[in-house]
Amino acid sequence: GENVEQHPSTLSVQEGDSAVIKCTYSDSASNYFPWYKQELGKGPQLIIDIRSNVGEKKDQRIAVTLNKTAKHFSLHITETQPEDSAVYFCAAQTPSGNKLTFGGGTRVLVKP
Amino acid sequence: GAVVSQHPSWVICKSGTSVKIECRSLDFQATTMFWYRQFPKQSLMLMATSNEGSKATYEQGVEKDKFLINHASLTLSTLTVTSAHPEDSSFYICSASERSSQPQHFGDGTRLSIL
Repeated sequence: GENVEQHPSTLSVQEGDSAVIKCTYSDSASNYFPWYKQELGKGPQLIIDIRSNVGEKKDQRIAVTLNKTAKHFSLHITETQPEDSAVYFCAAQTPSGNKLTFGGGTRVLVKP
Repeated sequence: GAVVSQHPSWVICKSGTSVKIECRSLDFQATTMFWYRQFPKQSLMLMATSNEGSKATYEQGVEKDKFLINHASLTLSTLTVTSAHPEDSSFYICSASERSSQPQHFGDGTRLSIL
């Protein structure tokens, strides 16, 4: 089955700096890659996603890139703010079954 | 849009009790709902996938007689933890998807504590 690796597990950045989280996946058939933000005691919230027919997608301060050949995708947060502090999860989905396989998560701390 | 409501948010009960958790899609019809379990500081582990009107598909290692899932309508799925024991204590989260090509939207989870 699919396996998703996520790095780093923790990331501390100064407010205003950029944060980058990287994920790799194993199943070349995976074609959908969402990113979720989870705050303490809450469920994951979808923040951005990308499909395999696109190499990059941007939404304000958040961008995601996908390299299908290398089977890795990344989340970029620019101009970080304290409210960006949370755990971020990447995930990969294969066409069959609609199931998501999650990475291990990255705990991001934005220091004011 | 795409709001998923989960209830209760927190439950504490005695060992041996059965606990039911509800997951509702409030502003869309969910053909598929998913149930996850999350331990502290860990990722989400898929327990089962439920499609409206059919039996749930459980992941390997998940006891279907222990975790009963019902998806009776396009807006409601329930997870019942039967005869719960302390090792069942965890954060249970549901998600819902309008159709297979659409994103999963998550509820805010249920923290289950078994004494």
